[in-house]
Amino acid sequence: DIQMTQSPSSLSASVGDRVTITCRASQSVGTYLNWYMQKPGTAPKLLIYGVSSLQSGVPSRFSGSRSGTDFTLTITSLQPEDFATYYCQQSYGSPWTFGQGTKVDIK
Amino acid sequence: QVQLVQSGPEVKKPGASVKVSCKASGYTITGYGFSWVRQAPGQGLEWLGWISAYTGDTSYAQKFQGRVTMTTDKSTNTAYMELRSLRSDDTAVYYCARMVIQDYMDVWGKGTTVIVSS
Repeated sequence: DIQMTQSPSSLSASVGDRVTITCRASQSVGTYLNWYMQKPGTAPKLLIYGVSSLQSGVPSRFSGSRSGTDFTLTITSLQPEDFATYYCQQSYGSPWTFGQGTKVDIK
Repeated sequence: QVQLVQSGPEVKKPGASVKVSCKASGYTITGYGFSWVRQAPGQGLEWLGWISAYTGDTSYAQKFQGRVTMTTDKSTNTAYMELRSLRSDDTAVYYCARMVIQDYMDVWGKGTTVIVSS
């Protein structure tokens, strides 16, 4: 199975901060890398697909990038509604696998 | 609007089976697939598999091979996920999601809680 390792596992940030979350794949996943946000008690929500394509309706402060098997989700100016847990997910190989999640909370 | 409505919570005994439904509306299901993901209490996300609503082709995580069956009913725009031989560690919220080109999941149901307890 392809292992997806996110860092950090959690972080504290303030409104307006720039936040970066990293996801490392244990082997190549090409461009089959997606990012989801989940708030407590709700379903995950797609933010970014194919490394850097912004899902319709998602604010432009969210962006994704890739360097080899390292992937990054960046939030340029954190907003109150962005406090949540973020997951990366690969769909290159079966089984699809998720990172363990990064919880972003209020500093 | 596009939405997925899942069936209600279930409580099952160990060894039993559960079948969760996911009714789609607002789009033509044969243009997409369905993927199923679960989340145990306080844990992360775990993928169970996907089914193409057009061909019926399936791909299951090896961990669930032999215990899971995913189906669709085009006449009712509904997908189903059956999990058999339930164990206590199958206790989780089960989500269905619309799968786009076997690449990503863009619309999610609200989840179905399945509790396995004697």
